[in-house]
Amino acid sequence: DTAVSQTPKYLVTQMGNDKSIKCEQNLGHDTMYWYKQDSKKFLKIMFSYNNKELIINETVPNRFSPKSPDKAHLNLHINSLELGDSAVYFCASRSRGNTGELFFGEGSRLTVL
Amino acid sequence: AQSVAQPEDQVNVAEGNPLTVKCTYSVSGNPYLFWYVQYPNRGLQFLLKYITGDNLVKGSYGFEAEFNKSQTSFHLKKPSALVSDSALYFCAVRDDDKIIFGKGTRLHILP
Repeated sequence: DTAVSQTPKYLVTQMGNDKSIKCEQNLGHDTMYWYKQDSKKFLKIMFSYNNKELIINETVPNRFSPKSPDKAHLNLHINSLELGDSAVYFCASRSRGNTGELFFGEGSRLTVL
Repeated sequence: AQSVAQPEDQVNVAEGNPLTVKCTYSVSGNPYLFWYVQYPNRGLQFLLKYITGDNLVKGSYGFEAEFNKSQTSFHLKKPSALVSDSALYFCAVRDDDKIIFGKGTRLHILP
């Protein structure tokens, strides 16, 4: 069983479209994250939820809207896609009580044309 | 704010030789430090962490890291490199609920 799973793995779309990426973890963790990895492989934290509550929002444009229906799921919706949104988006989770190691999904590669 | 720096974009090591990937940190208080590895087209995988205690911490795949408070460093090491160790390595630090990553170091193990 995959611990942290993301769908879709690849996403190609036109500028101006709206798209969503889904993430699910079966580890029983309380905290989930979205990270963006750009073409230079820099990893930047975007959002974090703990038990469905937003705890981190790193000045991401409001075109990006995370949603956590329950603590096992964290979805990312992006409106009005721009060329600069092209990246690999990683979902991750961790147990709130632990010292911080993250479990990552395999990533969703978004290409905006 | 907590941060880590990885001064090398790339490290090349011959197979069988010892390897070191460097990381320095800047934190207030006690640091929680981590190393992760990323293979091509995969998510990051946790390798090891330093929280407190022994300065030498051991992790997955034969890797270890040495915490050095006086040099504010947390270098990743392995006594004998394998070609399969070739990957992108990230140092990271915990800042409350955030895990902040360095820019990554690409490790090439030459056969």
